[in-house]
Amino acid sequence: EDKVVQSPLSLVVHEGDTVTLNCSYEVTNFRSLLWYKQEKKAPTFLFMLTSSGIEKKSGRLSSILDKKELFSILNITATQTGDSAVYLCAVVFSNTGNQFYFGTGTSLTVIP
Amino acid sequence: ETGVTQTPRHLVMGMTNKKSLKCEQHLGHNAMYWYKQSAKKPLELMFVYSLEERVENNSVPSRFSPECPNSSHLFLHLHTLQPEDSALYLCASSLGLRGDNEQFFGPGTRLTVL
Repeated sequence: EDKVVQSPLSLVVHEGDTVTLNCSYEVTNFRSLLWYKQEKKAPTFLFMLTSSGIEKKSGRLSSILDKKELFSILNITATQTGDSAVYLCAVVFSNTGNQFYFGTGTSLTVIP
Repeated sequence: ETGVTQTPRHLVMGMTNKKSLKCEQHLGHNAMYWYKQSAKKPLELMFVYSLEERVENNSVPSRFSPECPNSSHLFLHLHTLQPEDSALYLCASSLGLRGDNEQFFGPGTRLTVL
């Protein structure tokens, strides 16, 4: 069965720490992998990854995809309290049309 | 503001009620989605509409009935729901159904079924 697994489920760090969040997947007909940040409301888009080995970067956040080993990581450097959120990974694949599978998310708490 | 709005933001209903959730997107997108987010569970894709035609259903119970009158509006009609249907219902839109099209989410409707 196709699935998306994120780890760790939750993480508590101090401001200034660097964190690495993981997303592994098992799907057929992979199309792309998406990272979202969800605070108290709807998810907001962070990155879309379609090619292996190409790092996407936005400020203190960066992400990379490994299509051979079927995983992606999301790095956050110099964490701030505003980074506290649930980080969701979603994998898009083609079945009878395009479908999306979301992982359960990693809950990140950054304490001052 | 993502360009996707949802109303109401909160809804409490009894098991015998009939209500509707509304989603509107102002982005000129052609695809719209309904998701259900329950506590400690992944987002569940319920329905997908592309150019007003339903594409995926994912075996959602018939007590949830979607309607897409045009590419900017999406409704989710609810009737005889169960308490386990209490969740956050999220609407999203994307330019098309290509796997690399980014989805933009609305703020969600927090539904409580008594």
